[in-house]
Parts: sequence; structure tokens; C-alpha cells
Amino acid sequence: DGGITQSPKYLFRKEGQNVTLSCEQNLNHDAMYWYRQDPGQGLRLIYYSQIVNDFQKGDIAEGYSVSREKKESFPLTVTSAQKNPTAFYLCASSRGQVWPQHFGDGTRLSIL
Amino acid sequence: ELKVEQNPLFLSMQEGKNYTIYCNYSTTSDRLYWYRQDPGKSLESLFVLLSNGAVKQEGRLMASLDTKARLSTLHITAAVHDLSATYFCAVDVDSNYQLIWGAGTKLIIKP
Repeated sequence: DGGITQSPKYLFRKEGQNVTLSCEQNLNHDAMYWYRQDPGQGLRLIYYSQIVNDFQKGDIAEGYSVSREKKESFPLTVTSAQKNPTAFYLCASSRGQVWPQHFGDGTRLSIL
Repeated sequence: ELKVEQNPLFLSMQEGKNYTIYCNYSTTSDRLYWYRQDPGKSLESLFVLLSNGAVKQEGRLMASLDTKARLSTLHITAAVHDLSATYFCAVDVDSNYQLIWGAGTKLIIKP
């Protein structure tokens, strides 16, 4: 079955450490997205990518980095510059602009 | 700055009742999306509304869009417990792949 796989499900970060969240899709979608969700809030866009080797900053890109070397993969690195990384991170993909976004199951990141 | 406001943010209701969730947004947009999220889970796409007057229905849920009023509604008919979830609306921003999300409406339906 086609879908989006995020790993790991839970992740703990130490002070000063960079961590990478994985997102893989087999839906053959061109566009991919990373969102952050804090308790009781809506989603905020971190980065998005319309095509391979291209990506754009969203509203809260500071302290995060991404790459899009393959159509299927869009990993997110949470750097040590992100001082408040504790959140639920969701990866999504879509066929195009007006199509609904399909979401992975999320990664819950906490600070040790 | 585009803002998306949902109300109510929390709704507790009895099975069998009808209710409406409202999604207001602050600037022109012709595209609005509704999603459902179960606790600790991912989001599921419910409806895509792409023009003024669009109406979509799936089971006990019906969504509509009034772009002139900058308002979308999600109507629940004869609610059942399985519809308990958080419902989000999201609005397309200037056709550049960015969605602005409402804070979500947490719906609890009691048997």
C-alpha cells in the first residue's frame, strides 16, 4: 500500500545535538512538507519542497534544515540552534498544489 | 497576515445531535481543506473545497465554502461516538503550496 513512513516514532535529543527525522513516501508525489504541531495548536510549516533538489522555507524554518535528493525522501534535521524542539513533527506529501496532503504518523521529539 | 480562526475550539455533544464547526479566514482564498486528527495520530484528509459555493458530503459530515464571507462550515448530522476527533481547517495562501491552519476543534461525542 502507498503511504508515508516517518521514523522514528519517538526521538530524544540531548543539548547541543543535531537529530534527523526521516520521511519516505511511495505515492509518487512531487510535493513534500514538514510541519510542527504543538499541543492544542494547529500545524506550522517548517519547509516544503515542490520538486527534487528544491525546497522553500516555511513560517518557522529557523533551527531546521532539509534536503530533497530523491523524490521519495525528505529528511528534516533539527539543529542545536532550535532551542525549543519539543513537539510533534508531521511529514506530508501531495500530488500538487490543489490536492490534499497525505500525512505520515509523525515523530514525537523531546529534549533529554 | 492570513489568519484562520476556528470556533468553537472545544465541543462536547451528545450522540444524535447536530452541530456546526466554523472556520473563518482573513484574506481572499478559493481553496480550503478539512482534516481530522485522532489523539496522538496523524491527520486524515476529509474535504477539499475549491470554489465559492462548494459543498462536499461524506456520511454524517458536510462541508461548505463561502469565499465572499471567508467562511467554511463543517456540519455534523446525528453525531455518533466514532466522530470524536480534532477537526482542522486549512486555507491555501496565494497558491504557493503553503497552507495556514486553524487551531483545531476538539469534538467529543458522548454516548
